[in-house]
Amino acid sequence: RKEVEQDPGPFNVPEGATVAFNCTYSNSASQSFFWYRQDCRKEPKLLMSVYSSGNEDGRFTAQLNRASQYISLLIRDSKLSDSATYLCVVNMRRRDDKIIFGKGTRLHILP
Amino acid sequence: DAGITQSPRHKVTETGTPVTLRCHQTENHRYMYWYRQDPGHGLRLIHYSYGVKDTDKGEVSDGYSVSRSKTEDFLLTLESATSSQTSVYFCAISGAANQPQHFGDGTRLSIL
Repeated sequence: RKEVEQDPGPFNVPEGATVAFNCTYSNSASQSFFWYRQDCRKEPKLLMSVYSSGNEDGRFTAQLNRASQYISLLIRDSKLSDSATYLCVVNMRRRDDKIIFGKGTRLHILP
Repeated sequence: DAGITQSPRHKVTETGTPVTLRCHQTENHRYMYWYRQDPGHGLRLIHYSYGVKDTDKGEVSDGYSVSRSKTEDFLLTLESATSSQTSVYFCAISGAANQPQHFGDGTRLSIL
């Protein structure tokens, strides 16, 4: 099993729709989880951290399911500007802390 | 935005030449990282640093060396560039290993 795995997409979603991505991780001891957004030819930018109780930031909701070892990102009322690649990031707790980036899920919002 | 500056932003050079990329931060963060990003591979860690003069290898370190003589600067050197090292290189910083990383704008490097 890959350390961090995401569906590469692309997800083609009409504007205004709700879209959800999942990301699975292999290390049950992982403690920190994040979602990043990367626009074409730009650097990755932190979108939100993912907390055990789940958290929401405007139209974005992130959730953690430790039992099944996945995190999710939900985008409501999607906008054209949400088109980007979304990277799942997991802190692997082994001998030392190690941040692992998923390869990303591409999202295209269609007008 | 986190104070991270990468230089140069773009570079074109020939196979066999040495290349040094610079990452400069103004956040006084302990951790600094160098990644490369290629289509189909996502971000891959080259080297990272956890303090001045403290560095370690990432998953794709062959052909690369790094140095960190000051907290604010992390240099990535390709001793003898090859075409396979054509890529986009990102520097990132974080305050601790388990904290989110913040990225520079990237350097587009082409080796002809």
